[in-house]
Amino acid sequence: NAGVMQNPRHLVRRRGQEARLRCSPVKGHSHVYWYRQLPEEGLKFMVYLQKENIIDESGMPKERFSAEFPKEGPSILRIQQVVRGDSAAYFCASSPPEGSTEAFFGQGTRLTVV
Amino acid sequence: DAKTTQPPSMDCAEGRAANLPCNHSTISGNEYVYWYRQIHSQGPQYIIHGLKNNETNEMASLIITEDRKSSTLILPHATLRDTAVYYCIVRGSMFSGGYNKLIFGAGTRLAVHP
Repeated sequence: NAGVMQNPRHLVRRRGQEARLRCSPVKGHSHVYWYRQLPEEGLKFMVYLQKENIIDESGMPKERFSAEFPKEGPSILRIQQVVRGDSAAYFCASSPPEGSTEAFFGQGTRLTVV
Repeated sequence: DAKTTQPPSMDCAEGRAANLPCNHSTISGNEYVYWYRQIHSQGPQYIIHGLKNNETNEMASLIITEDRKSSTLILPHATLRDTAVYYCIVRGSMFSGGYNKLIFGAGTRLAVHP
């Protein structure tokens, strides 16, 4: 996990509130990926972003979820009007543009909706 | 959907080699084989990757068959800290017309015992 920083590590939200998860990629990495892991389940791809562009959002729920990776600053995964089913670990990974290079993951944000 | 098949679980004695198999019979010529592991609920950790040649690093060795339809990850001297879920992933290269995201399957749950 070479330098991908996610914050907060733990986030508690009440139903109906908004959750903002931040991911700072490894310096120099221009690609960011978000994954969700429900309790006792595998990692599910959500979205793949490059700076200022969404490349693939095929794993994103159609409503309430959005992601961005601005020119400056971290990538943000935003969940509006959270529900209990959104409780999960959310992992971010980053990689440089070269296609054959490994992606590094952060330690995740554990979202609990109460 | 994941393009790989792995056994759901394996056991290994501490100090012995752990050999984790993976089938990827539909792999195409520009796709790499990547291995990651997830220890408990931490972020996935990159282990190794390869295209067609066998690879070795400080963590493991990757043996890819000549037809590239299967591979084996070898942990030469397993320790208790290697207990984790191991994921074999086929990943395309952006620069050869493939796709860059990692799709995780169910993986192999490796238990290393004393």
